[in-house]
Amino acid sequence: QVQLQESGPGLVKPSQTLSLTCTVSGGSISSGSYYWSWIRQPAGKGLEWIGRIYTSGSTNYNPSLKSRVTISVDTSKNQFSLKLSSVTAADTAVYYCARDLLGIDYWGQGTLVTVSS
Amino acid sequence: AIQLTQSPSSLSASVGDRVTITCRASQGISSALAWYQQKPGKAPKLLIYDASSLESGVPSRFSGSGSGTDFTLTISSLQPEDFATYYCQQFNNYPLTFGGGTKVEIK
Repeated sequence: QVQLQESGPGLVKPSQTLSLTCTVSGGSISSGSYYWSWIRQPAGKGLEWIGRIYTSGSTNYNPSLKSRVTISVDTSKNQFSLKLSSVTAADTAVYYCARDLLGIDYWGQGTLVTVSS
Repeated sequence: AIQLTQSPSSLSASVGDRVTITCRASQGISSALAWYQQKPGKAPKLLIYDASSLESGVPSRFSGSGSGTDFTLTISSLQPEDFATYYCQQFNNYPLTFGGGTKVEIK
């Protein structure tokens, strides 16, 4: 059973960089033809796709965030990561990591990141 | 970006009711659509992928249909555990996008 777990600071100051890591267990991040994704959800609002990385390392990002987002993978640690630079209060949300192919079949539990001084 | 418009945004229904939620894409997306259920404080759960394929372990009262621009999620007989918010997501074009959600409440 694949499991994903987000980790990282719950509080980030405005203008700084948000950094989160997703640890995958129960399967290798390198196996299969899966994408590894980040999605976020502000409190009381809908879901926003941030971007994803393929097992080959190729990435796709949401253009609304593209200039600020980097997703990377560390196959040796079975982890993938999100960096979002120059954050503002609008980036406050629950951040989910996930696995997807034709649908997102495995999600992390989500981690709340608050942007505040 | 492809916009997904869900309707209604909320609905009230009773246990046993047949419920239908619609997702309309701003341009054709073939069958590259998924449906999710989300309960408060929890991550979404995949119900349907490829527009009409039932994810393993999901009750058969859930079904999906459609292709192109118009899609439907149907719950044939609403159960107490089905009260939640439902989202569609398209996988045909980048950026991947979600619908705004449909909240299913108890009548």
